[in-house]
Amino acid sequence: NAGVMQNPRHLVRRRGQEARLRCSPMKGHSHVYWYRQLPEEGLKFMVYLQKENIIDESGMPKERFSAEFPKEGPSILRIQQVVRGDSAAYFCASSPPYARDRDYEQYFGPGTRLTVT
Amino acid sequence: DAKTTQPTSMDCAEGRAANLPCNHSTISGNEYVYWYRQIHSQGPQYIIHGLKNNETNEMASLIITEDRKSSTLILPHATLRDTAVYYCIVRSASGSARQLTFGSGTQLTVLP
Repeated sequence: NAGVMQNPRHLVRRRGQEARLRCSPMKGHSHVYWYRQLPEEGLKFMVYLQKENIIDESGMPKERFSAEFPKEGPSILRIQQVVRGDSAAYFCASSPPYARDRDYEQYFGPGTRLTVT
Repeated sequence: DAKTTQPTSMDCAEGRAANLPCNHSTISGNEYVYWYRQIHSQGPQYIIHGLKNNETNEMASLIITEDRKSSTLILPHATLRDTAVYYCIVRSASGSARQLTFGSGTQLTVLP
């Protein structure tokens, strides 16, 4: 049973370019979360999505960042016009359909390390 | 959500039990205690969760005090690969927000 998959694992972009990070949740999981970990800092929540819906984007920067989870295919985190401060590890997690106490049983992917030069 | 307090770091000898404490004195009745860990540079890994009863799985045991104000994660036979930052997180099962909030955690170092 494959875990959460993220690609690419490493991404280098020059300032001003776009970065697209992809996440395929575990089989049977319909909830996806994106987190960011800046160098030497803790993980911070960015956005929570279900298929075709953004449920909570309270952690997303107001500009340049967007996320989607289409009916078919992986979830995408898109960063437009990247700046050096966007350099970080971006982790995706997924969880099974609603099951009360399992709401926070999230399974994380290996992350995408974004470096902006 | 209740605030948690964990020691910054702990050491444990390989093969011995690692006992990681967490204080959550403001926990309310419908809040669960979750434990995750993050091995260097990897994605966080779910370990275990519980409400009031002690829980055990193939990775660890979770002991929650009767008043639920604190808990202990036990790794029964720590190995070098258990060196990681361990996070204790308290979340309400009835809340609409489902994101995890990671604090500073405890850096567990397993020594050979």
